[in-house]
Amino acid sequence: RKEVEQDPGPFNVPEGATVAFNCTYSNSASQSFFWYRQDCRKEPKLLMSVYSSGNEDGRFTAQLNRASQYISLLIRDSKLSDSATYLCVVREGKLIFGQGTELSVKP
Amino acid sequence: EAQVTQNPRYLITVTGKKLTVTCSQNMNHEYMSWYRQDPGLGLRQIYYSMNVEVTDKGDVPEGYKVSRKEKRNFPLILESPSPNQTSLYFCASATTDTYGYTFGSGTRLTVV
Repeated sequence: RKEVEQDPGPFNVPEGATVAFNCTYSNSASQSFFWYRQDCRKEPKLLMSVYSSGNEDGRFTAQLNRASQYISLLIRDSKLSDSATYLCVVREGKLIFGQGTELSVKP
Repeated sequence: EAQVTQNPRYLITVTGKKLTVTCSQNMNHEYMSWYRQDPGLGLRQIYYSMNVEVTDKGDVPEGYKVSRKEKRNFPLILESPSPNQTSLYFCASATTDTYGYTFGSGTRLTVV
């Protein structure tokens, strides 16, 4: 079993759609959780940290369920500029990356 | 501007010719790390450093060396590059283990 598993992509959605990404992690002792965004051939950039109580940043909402070892990212009212690969990342001392889920938002 | 700077951005080299990819951060971060990214395999950690003179192997350290003589610099050394080290490399840094990493812009290495 992979340490961090994400939904397989790609997700192709129309502008304005709501899209959800899911991620599971295998180590219950994992310390911190993040979502990163990576545009084609560019460096990953931190999108948001994920807190136990859930957190929101504009159109983006992240949730963490420690009991189920599950992380999610919800994007509301998706924009063309949201097209990218979204990486679920878990910290256990070092960062462990999921494979990423590709999102393509179409006009 | 707070950033992680990698050089070079692109490099084509021949098998066996030693090379160094430099990485520098201006944020006074303790943690630094090198990753490689390959299609279908995602980001894999090569080496990391928790502070000056403290380095440790990641998941794929074979064929690579690192050093951390100063807090800001964390070079990646390929003593004898081989074609299977053709990849996209990222350097990253972080301030504590509760925060995510800031990544450099990447180095696309081709070994022929």
